[in-house]
Amino acid sequence: DIQMTQSPSTLSASIGDRVTITCRASQSISVWLAWYQQKPGKVPKLLIYEASYLQSGVPSRFGGGGSGTEFTLTISSLQPDDSATYFCQQYTAHSPYTFGQGTKLEIK
Amino acid sequence: EMELVEFGGGLVQPGGSLRLSCAGSGITFSTYWMSWVRQAPGKGLEWVANINQDGTDKYYVDSVRGRFTISRNTAENSLYLQMDSLRVEDTAIYYCARDRGSGGSRGQPHDYWGQGTVVTVSS
Repeated sequence: DIQMTQSPSTLSASIGDRVTITCRASQSISVWLAWYQQKPGKVPKLLIYEASYLQSGVPSRFGGGGSGTEFTLTISSLQPDDSATYFCQQYTAHSPYTFGQGTKLEIK
Repeated sequence: EMELVEFGGGLVQPGGSLRLSCAGSGITFSTYWMSWVRQAPGKGLEWVANINQDGTDKYYVDSVRGRFTISRNTAENSLYLQMDSLRVEDTAIYYCARDRGSGGSRGQPHDYWGQGTVVTVSS
């Protein structure tokens, strides 16, 4: 199976900061990568699909990039509502889907 | 309002069985792949299984293959997960989720999620 590794595991940043989370795949997944946001006690929310496409309704301060084995989720200007855990997921067509272990983002 | 609602969770002993159901209202999932995703207490997300539009193609994570069976009833807009030979490590919230991309092939992330149903495997 394809392993997904996120870094960092936890991150603390201030309002207005630019924040970047990295996700690495154990083998090439082209652009078949998604990012989700999950707040405590809530259901995961799809933010980004196909590495860089913004899901409908997601604020434009969220952006995704990368291809192959290295990907990033960037929040251009951190807002209080962005405190959450973020997960990447690979969804290649011919293998089990796998998630990264998560990055907990805290607001200073 | 578009909604997915899961049913059937509960407490079961190791080696036991449960059948989870997911019903859609205000949401079409007959033309979509559908998935089950789980989250153990305090842990991350784990994709469990998915199924194509007509129920003829199914994929599973290695840890449940041979024990869990995903199925669907398109006419009833319902999704199921039959869980047999349950283990303590299967304890989790189980989410039903729609794979985005109507009419598409496998290989899509999950754009709609239910609220989840809790499965606890313990003696």
